[in-house]
Amino acid sequence: QKEVEQDPGPLSVPEGAIVSLNCTYSNSAFQYFMWYRQYSRKGPELLMYTYSSGNKEDGRFTAQVDKSSKYISLFIRDSQPSDSATYLCAMSGSGGSNYKLTFGKGTLLTVNP
Amino acid sequence: EPEVTQTPSHQVTQMGQEVILRCVPISNHLYFYWYRQILGQKVEFLVSFYNNEISEKSEIFDDQFSVERPDGSNFTLKIRSTKLEDSAMYFCASSLEGGAGQPQHFGDGTRLSIL
Repeated sequence: QKEVEQDPGPLSVPEGAIVSLNCTYSNSAFQYFMWYRQYSRKGPELLMYTYSSGNKEDGRFTAQVDKSSKYISLFIRDSQPSDSATYLCAMSGSGGSNYKLTFGKGTLLTVNP
Repeated sequence: EPEVTQTPSHQVTQMGQEVILRCVPISNHLYFYWYRQILGQKVEFLVSFYNNEISEKSEIFDDQFSVERPDGSNFTLKIRSTKLEDSAMYFCASSLEGGAGQPQHFGDGTRLSIL
């Protein structure tokens, strides 16, 4: 089983839709969960950052973590064409590893005007 | 907003040659990282660096790789004898503090092409 799994999509939605992006993971030692957005030919840009289980909201973005199910989600409300990008989940806090981020493969999102 | 800058944006090198990838981390950050992303694959951790020492490295980071902070602003990744399979995007990242869970901020990467 892969450490972090993420459906690569592609996902195509109309402008204004609610988008749900998800990752599952197998390593129960992960404690910190991040979502990065990556535009074409750019580096990953940190969007959301959560610790352990629960929800975190920032504007149109909500991150959810369910550690019991080893499942994390990112919701985007009122999606805009400028949200079109690849979304990467990332995790850390894996046992003795204090520095390494473990990434999912990324989901390619297109928001159509 | 402060950002991590990487140069060059694209590097083409013959197999067997040495290559140095350069990064300027965010100025008050103390922890530095290199990741790579082979086309179509995940972003993978290579190495973390703090206080002029490697703090953690992956199995990918073998003897062909080295990192250095030659001055107060630059952070470099050297690949001594490049292989075809080293072709990838290489991302530098930095964080203000270390340890699990500290937000890491990434540069836009250097695309390394080995011929």
